Amino acid sequence: DQQVKQNSPSLSVQEGRISILNCDYTNSMFDYFLWYKKYPAEGPTFLISISSIKDKNEDGRFTVFLNKSAKHLSLHIVPSQPGDSAVYFCAASEQGGSEKLVFGKGTKLTVNP
Amino acid sequence: DTAVSQTPKYLVTQMGNDKSIKCEQNLGHDTMYWYKQDSKKFLKIMFSYNNKELIINETVPNRFSPKSPDKAHLNLHINSLELGDSAVYFCASSQEITTYEQYFGPGTRLTVT
Repeated sequence: DQQVKQNSPSLSVQEGRISILNCDYTNSMFDYFLWYKKYPAEGPTFLISISSIKDKNEDGRFTVFLNKSAKHLSLHIVPSQPGDSAVYFCAASEQGGSEKLVFGKGTKLTVNP
Repeated sequence: DTAVSQTPKYLVTQMGNDKSIKCEQNLGHDTMYWYKQDSKKFLKIMFSYNNKELIINETVPNRFSPKSPDKAHLNLHINSLELGDSAVYFCASSQEITTYEQYFGPGTRLTVT
């Protein structure tokens, strides 16, 4: 029962272009969403988050878009850099609910020089 | 100056043994977590502690027992190890239980033979 789905296991883009990573969720009670980045042999690191009261949050090269009606969010990285090559995890939570993060399986992004 | 550290990084052991994984955070956070990342790459929460009190206890076999001697430490003890326990275990911490920006340790790869 995957409540958070990242249907693309991998994505490859050229340096300087836009990377778009997608995430879908099924639980309508989720109201806070996060993206984490993970390098090999390291733990995930927090990247950016968005509350359900917003539809966009931007932090430098990273922008997260939330479409509540479609239960879909996406992470845009512009411009993509080789150092962005990592696995990106989408996570969701129900504030005031179980207070736990539910993660997707991750998408491996490769940015080619 | 590691924020969240785990020991050991790798652990290879035989079925039936009892083992422990240690976690320490120097961020002054109130809440700590244990996650399991299985072979399918799902990152799932196992436990969370807030100020040494157990808050989240997912459906985990009672062979797994977390112990929090103080706010900065959350250790994971596993009794009677089974093949299916092989996974990467991540410790994490956050400012409060309602803070979803969690800081992860580097992970402990447990292999049960």
